[in-house]
Amino acid sequence: GEKVEQHESTLSVREGDSAVINCTYTDTASSYFPWYKQEAGKSLHFVIDIRSNVDRKQSQRLIVLLDKKAKRFSLHITATQPEDSAIYFCAASRQPGTGSNRLTFGKGTKFSLIP
Amino acid sequence: EAAVTQSPRNKVTVTGGNVTLSCRQTNSHNYMYWYRQDTGHGLRLIHYSYGAGNLQIGDVPDGYKATRTTQEDFFLLLELASPSQTSLYFCASSPGTGGVEQYFGPGTRLTVL
Repeated sequence: GEKVEQHESTLSVREGDSAVINCTYTDTASSYFPWYKQEAGKSLHFVIDIRSNVDRKQSQRLIVLLDKKAKRFSLHITATQPEDSAIYFCAASRQPGTGSNRLTFGKGTKFSLIP
Repeated sequence: EAAVTQSPRNKVTVTGGNVTLSCRQTNSHNYMYWYRQDTGHGLRLIHYSYGAGNLQIGDVPDGYKATRTTQEDFFLLLELASPSQTSLYFCASSPGTGGVEQYFGPGTRLTVL
């Protein structure tokens, strides 16, 4: 089955700098790649996704890049702010909206700002 | 916004005990999921369902049963709980066709002594 590896288990940057979280996947049939955020002591919520028909997507300060050849995707957080501190999970799915609709998650990256 | 609720929020049981975790979603979503979250493992899918009466096996199903009684309600059953099942359990739902975002409940922290 699909395996998603999240390369950074922890990441710290200074406020205002940019941060990048990298993920790789194994299943060439995966076509949908969402990111979820979990703030301290809370549940997860969706932040941004990308489908395999594009290689870049931006939502405000979040940018997702997809490299299908390398089976790699990444989340870029620009102009980081205190509210960005959280655990970020990447995930992959074969058939979003049809079929099994299931996600395989990475292990998470704990992101924080350096005081 | 989608609403997913879980009960209980915290549960302590003993080894060999019988536990039922409940999840309800009120947005008529087709898909519901049970995950466990453990440090060093991230989120792992236990069982999921795409409608009442349907059950699909996830990635870590051993020791768990699930039942989807209605479109709204999805239950996770641990019939002989073991300490290895101590974890934070999340339920989630998604529309399915036409919508893929998963909406997560607040979580249930289960401790098996």
